[in-house]
Amino acid sequence: DVKVTQSSRYLVKRTGEKVFLECVQDMDHENMFWYRQDPGLGLRLIYFSYDVKMKEKGDIPEGYSVSREKKERFSLILESASTNQTSMYLCASSFPGQGSEQFFGPGTRLTVL
Amino acid sequence: RKEVEQDPGPFNVPEGATVAFNCTYSNSASQSFFWYRQDCRKEPKLLMSVYSSGNEDGRFTAQLNRASQYISLLIRDSKLSDSATYLCVVRISGYALNFGKGTSLLVTP
Repeated sequence: DVKVTQSSRYLVKRTGEKVFLECVQDMDHENMFWYRQDPGLGLRLIYFSYDVKMKEKGDIPEGYSVSREKKERFSLILESASTNQTSMYLCASSFPGQGSEQFFGPGTRLTVL
Repeated sequence: RKEVEQDPGPFNVPEGATVAFNCTYSNSASQSFFWYRQDCRKEPKLLMSVYSSGNEDGRFTAQLNRASQYISLLIRDSKLSDSATYLCVVRISGYALNFGKGTSLLVTP
């Protein structure tokens, strides 16, 4: 059974803290993605990676960075968390084909106080 | 202008009803089209891909109209378990997907 796991379901951090969100997939997928989902705004792509050490900016990369040192792991980093980064963060992975399904993790609900 | 637009609903329908959702996309170069389903407090999951000739999967039928740049999803014989948010998804190029904000469906007994 395919699986994408995220390190935390719920996370509470303070403004200015450095935050790491981890995502691991066991499907040997080349592509991995980070989204945030907010009410009224839907899913928005932050960053994606199509190979180890490769990354591409999505629609809203400001305030975020990513790391992909191993194929199965894709990390999202908030260098200095701000309250407007309070959101649901979803990781996904897929094979590289054009019609490939993206498999999502359960999400991390991050609250920045 | 948002790449992918959907009526947010909610659509409230009785069990057994037929319900249809539409979605429009702005980029005529869009290459791939999908419907994802997201249950409350859960992650999105692929419901079905949408092909140019239209396709059916059980009670679900998806249609694509490239000329008018819209995608539709028809659900026949609605079940209580169909209650969810349905996300229209478009791939323009490369690997990234553009998600609509979703249409909420509530099927009532």
